[in-house]
Amino acid sequence: GQQLNQSPQSMFIQEGEDVSMNCTSSSIFNTWLWYKQDPGEGPVLLIALYKAGELTSNGRLTAQFGITRKDSFLNISASIPSDVGIYFCAGTTNTGNQFYFGTGTSLTVIP
Amino acid sequence: DSGVTQTPKHLITATGQRVTLRCSPRSGDLSVYWYQQSLDQGLQFLIQYYNGEERAKGNILERFSAQQFPDLHSELNLSSLELGDSALYFCASSDRGDYGYTFGSGTRLTVV
Repeated sequence: GQQLNQSPQSMFIQEGEDVSMNCTSSSIFNTWLWYKQDPGEGPVLLIALYKAGELTSNGRLTAQFGITRKDSFLNISASIPSDVGIYFCAGTTNTGNQFYFGTGTSLTVIP
Repeated sequence: DSGVTQTPKHLITATGQRVTLRCSPRSGDLSVYWYQQSLDQGLQFLIQYYNGEERAKGNILERFSAQQFPDLHSELNLSSLELGDSALYFCASSDRGDYGYTFGSGTRLTVV
């Protein structure tokens, strides 16, 4: 199957700092998604991207669909303790087809 | 509440046993996906059903099977359980897939 590489694998940051993470694929995707998983819970969709170059925000979160269509980026500004969790990217090559998930970035925010 | 219902929430069973995990998709969603997440691991895709038919298969062991019923709920059957099968099992559903998947809160399976 498709391989999505997320980096970094884990991050430990101070409250108030900005966070950046990215996801790369070996194939061109036409949809990118970013999910957050709280401990012991299911992933929750944060942001969906449908067009190359698209920049979409959801509160303090901003995600971008890479121009090459093989990557996507997620930024979190002014992190707070409740941002703790695992962030997953997901992408698909065609509408209605299976989404492939990245390996996840574990975020720890130190108060 | 995401609209995707998974039962039971927790399950503890012995090695060699068989269990069934149940998932009710969000209203109107025809696709159901099953994922396994072991401790500190990512989401491993197991299998997808669309409107009752198997659509895609991932890294699903032969000891595992699934089905989707006419009312669109799905069951994941795990048999001859081993200690390594202990994990969180997530079900997700989608309509045409344009807007991604909606996940349930998972079933935590512990094999002792």
